[in-house]
Amino acid sequence: DIQMTQSPSSLSASVGDSVTITCRASQAINVYLAWYQQKPGKAPRLLIYAASTLESGVPSRFSGSGSGTDFTLTISSLQPEDFATYHCQKYNSAPPLTFGGGTRVEIK
Amino acid sequence: EVQLVESGGGLVQPGGSLRLSCAASGFTFSKYAMTWVRQAPGKGLEWVSAISGSGSTYYADSVKGRFTISRDNSKNTLYLQMNSLSAGDTAVYYCANCRGLYYDLPLAYWGQGTLVTVSS
Repeated sequence: DIQMTQSPSSLSASVGDSVTITCRASQAINVYLAWYQQKPGKAPRLLIYAASTLESGVPSRFSGSGSGTDFTLTISSLQPEDFATYHCQKYNSAPPLTFGGGTRVEIK
Repeated sequence: EVQLVESGGGLVQPGGSLRLSCAASGFTFSKYAMTWVRQAPGKGLEWVSAISGSGSTYYADSVKGRFTISRDNSKNTLYLQMNSLSAGDTAVYYCANCRGLYYDLPLAYWGQGTLVTVSS
């Protein structure tokens, strides 16, 4: 099975900062990578798919990049509502459609 | 508006069974693959099972042979039959729809989740 490793597992940042989260696949997955945001007690929300395509309604300060095994999620100019946990997921064929371990973005 | 509403969670003893349901509305249910994802307390997300629009099913190794996913397109409802439950299955279970007919697509909409607790 393909493993998905996110780093860091948590980070502290201030409003207005730019933050980058990394997701690495143990095998190449082309661009079949999605990012989700999850706030405490809530269901995840799809932010980005196909590594870099923004889901409808997601603010443009979110961006994704990468292909193959290495991917990044960048939040430029962090807003108060962005403090949450972010998960990557690979969705190329062949189950399981594994998630990364999550990255918690906290207020500094 | 897309809505996914899970039900059926609760407290069950080890070795017991439970059936989760997910009532869908706001989209043509039969044309979308559906997925179950779980999250143990304080842990990350774990993909559990999926069913394509045509009814093909897929499972994580951790639940294969114990869980069965199914769908009733006439009732716009997704199910997860869970047997031989153990403490490791304790989690919030979310249903989510895929961005199309096939299971290997991003998860566009999620329900609010239903908590399953396996304990004696």
